[in-house]
Amino acid sequence: DAGVTQSPTHLIKTRGQQVTLRCSPKSGHDTVSWYQQALGQGPQFIFQYYEEEERQRGNFPDRFSGHQFPNYSSELNVNALLLGDSALYLCASSFSSGPYEQYFGPGTRLTVT
Amino acid sequence: QKEVEQDPGPLSVPEGAIVSLNCTYSNSAFQYFMWYRQYSRKGPELLMYTYSSGNKEDGRFTAQVDKSSKYISLFIRDSQPSDSATYLCAMNYDMRFGAGTRLTVKP
Repeated sequence: DAGVTQSPTHLIKTRGQQVTLRCSPKSGHDTVSWYQQALGQGPQFIFQYYEEEERQRGNFPDRFSGHQFPNYSSELNVNALLLGDSALYLCASSFSSGPYEQYFGPGTRLTVT
Repeated sequence: QKEVEQDPGPLSVPEGAIVSLNCTYSNSAFQYFMWYRQYSRKGPELLMYTYSSGNKEDGRFTAQVDKSSKYISLFIRDSQPSDSATYLCAMNYDMRFGAGTRLTVKP
């Protein structure tokens, strides 16, 4: 049973560019959440998707947007990249009936230069 | 004041020791409490999940929640070098995380 997968593993972008990160949830899970983890910090909640809709959002600007597809996979898009966007981006999946039991992928490490 | 406070450590203990990890929080509405383990350059791994107050045990791990004090704990018995990682507490629906405590268990 495949767990949560994310791609790419690493990414280097330049300030002002746009980036798309991808996530496939654990088999059977229908809810996907995205987090940003800066070095030495805990993950910060960006948003959560269920039934292709953004269900909840954390304190992140509109430059951060997402999408969920009918097969429950998800994308995170970040526009107009800033140096401060450099972080590990984590995707987590769960059942909608148990959103607190979230299973994380390995993350995508984004470096903005 | 941060919503979730967690001592970042680092914490170093000898193999076989009992480890106590703690978080405090300010929002009395929090109902769900989770503990995650994160190895270097990996995603967090769910260890324990509890609802409301009380204790929950799973093997060498025990999670405690004291809602009256807004205080949660994770105890690790008979700690092993493989337990060396960062431990993160998280709370509620949108997963408010603590900053994590770095634990090293020395052989």
